Amino acid sequence: AQTVTQSQPEMSVQEAETVTLSCTYDTSENNYYLFWYKQPPSRQMILVIRQEAYKQQNATENRFSVNFQKAAKSFSLKISDSQLGDTAMYFCAFSNNDMRFGAGTRLTVKP
Amino acid sequence: EAGVVQSPRYKIIEKKQPVAFWCNPISGHNTLYWYLQNLGQGPELLIRYENEEAVDDSQLPKDRFSAERLKGVDSTLKIQPAELGDSAVYLCASSLGQGTGGQETQYFGPGTRLLVL
Repeated sequence: AQTVTQSQPEMSVQEAETVTLSCTYDTSENNYYLFWYKQPPSRQMILVIRQEAYKQQNATENRFSVNFQKAAKSFSLKISDSQLGDTAMYFCAFSNNDMRFGAGTRLTVKP
Repeated sequence: EAGVVQSPRYKIIEKKQPVAFWCNPISGHNTLYWYLQNLGQGPELLIRYENEEAVDDSQLPKDRFSAERLKGVDSTLKIQPAELGDSAVYLCASSLGQGTGGQETQYFGPGTRLLVL
């Protein structure tokens, strides 16, 4: 069974700085998809970025980028120029058939 | 375009009472998911529908949980009777389809926060 591990329960970063959230996963599949979702306090979960496993190029979305290391089964999220609105729970997810989520990392951006 | 709609947003009940949650997916989305999210944890899939067919309900505790999506649009998740351990957030999500190998992005509703006393 696929598992997703987020080893950092909580992180904090100063506004305007860069932070990296870690995610590793375990699978024997070759084709799959990886996602980072953001869940702000008391608000709904929204997609931040996605990566197709067959693509070598790392996905980027404005201030958000990933470092996808397929051999190492690692999928970290880098947030550049952190903003107060980035404060949220961040969930890493793996999808081959059904989506499996990690336990999340609570990120606090400090002014 | 409206997102995934869920109601109620909050529900407080006493144990052994029944409770129901409602979800309206994004228009045109054939696949609908119900997730359970415990405090401080990631969502866990309860059931997935492709149109009106439940194609994966292996994680749904069928002794007390039931779900339906009669016309392939709205869905209802029911718990009867509720137990203290059912206190959690129940999330609904939808996607255009299941796609090949789970490629479809899922769009989530705001969730229903259930408290069982």
